Amino acid sequence: GNSVTQMEGPVTLSEEAFLTINCTYTATGYPSLFWYVQYPGEGLQLLLKATKADDKGSNKGFEATYRKETTSFHLEKGSVQVSDSAVYFCALSVNTGNQFYFGTGTSLTVIP
Amino acid sequence: DTGVSQDPRHKITKRGQNVTFRCDPISEHNRLYWYRQTLGQGPEFLTYFQNEAQLEKSRLLSDRFSAERPKGSFSTLEIQRTEQGDSAMYLCASSERTVYEQYFGPGTRLTVT
Repeated sequence: GNSVTQMEGPVTLSEEAFLTINCTYTATGYPSLFWYVQYPGEGLQLLLKATKADDKGSNKGFEATYRKETTSFHLEKGSVQVSDSAVYFCALSVNTGNQFYFGTGTSLTVIP
Repeated sequence: DTGVSQDPRHKITKRGQNVTFRCDPISEHNRLYWYRQTLGQGPEFLTYFQNEAQLEKSRLLSDRFSAERPKGSFSTLEIQRTEQGDSAMYLCASSERTVYEQYFGPGTRLTVT
């Protein structure tokens, strides 16, 4: 079947710390991979995506590389800011976007 | 603003009542998705439309749930004979045909008493 497993939170970091949020997946077929972010009081927003193996998605200083050999799509940022505090969701789509599967989300709090 | 909109934002209903939610996608998007999200969980895919055609509905939670998109624009999600377990946030998203990133609405929070 299709599923996404995310690192459990909550995660608390000091400003300027390095961030990694782990995400692994299982999929029938060849999925596209996404990270979505939900800031407090707001709706889900696409953060970055990758559609084939070895692609690197990047946005706002965040990066994630599609690793087919390890079925992973870990989210990283070199120096987090207080404004990065949010819930992060890893997701995959299969069958040309007909179905999406989300992880359970990882809550990140960045303290000054 | 031309984002995805949902109505109502909040709905409180008594067990056994029917409820209907509306979603208006971004105007040029022909794909529309419905999700349910419970506290502490990620969105759970329910169904998907391409234009007016419902191409995936096997993930609807039970036969009490149904969705329509009669003219390929707005969509409605109906829950019949609501149960307390239906209490959740119901999310709508839309996307263009050839790209898969979805744009989400703010959601409708349903509380069944």
